[in-house]
Amino acid sequence: SYELTQPPSVSVSPGQTARITCSGDALPKQYAYWYQQKPGQAPVLVIYKDSERPSGIPERFSGSSSGTTVTLTISGVQAEDEADYYCQSADSSGTDVVFGGGTKLTVL
Amino acid sequence: QVTLKESGPVLVKPTETLTLTCTVSGFSLSNARMGVSWIRQPPGKALEWLAHIFSNDEKSYSTSLKSRLTISKDTSKSQVVLTMTNMDPVDTATYYCARTLRYCSSTSCTYYFDYWGQGTLVTVSS
Repeated sequence: SYELTQPPSVSVSPGQTARITCSGDALPKQYAYWYQQKPGQAPVLVIYKDSERPSGIPERFSGSSSGTTVTLTISGVQAEDEADYYCQSADSSGTDVVFGGGTKLTVL
Repeated sequence: QVTLKESGPVLVKPTETLTLTCTVSGFSLSNARMGVSWIRQPPGKALEWLAHIFSNDEKSYSTSLKSRLTISKDTSKSQVVLTMTNMDPVDTATYYCARTLRYCSSTSCTYYFDYWGQGTLVTVSS
């Protein structure tokens, strides 16, 4: 089955830039989406179609794509950004919706 | 204001069938641009998509769980129902429903989730 691979954890100091990657063979063909999930809460969509930001999401959140890797970038990280982040996409045929394993962002 | 709310049992026994209901408001299940998905998350683990349904009754299921899942909707009640048969302790998870949008290219579609319910924890235990 198709998989999306994320690093288990990323740590960054406040005000620095955090980059979370997600790799998958079908990513050159399929858009990626990113969700933020804080403990005990439902996920929140922060990036759609690789790099689009939903209304209400701070400008410090951005997304990019290059080949088989997509990246979520958080510029000027704040303490409130500490959360789990999940990428999501589809296999090459679009049959299955797939989530990555999640990355825990720690703000030091 | 878009809201989704999951309801169903908090505890089921192994081999039983789970039935979950998602009641939506702020959008219509007859809207062709929007559907509803079920997604689950075992404690401390990653999200897993289960199934979705759209207004034209288009349905899709996770390949790995397809044989155990059925999704349906009642547009008049603004409800989407998921049934999962033969429950096992490994199915213990928080189950979410989420409003689903899609983007289609010339070759395929991708689906994503812009509003989520609060989730309901289902424990499978005898």
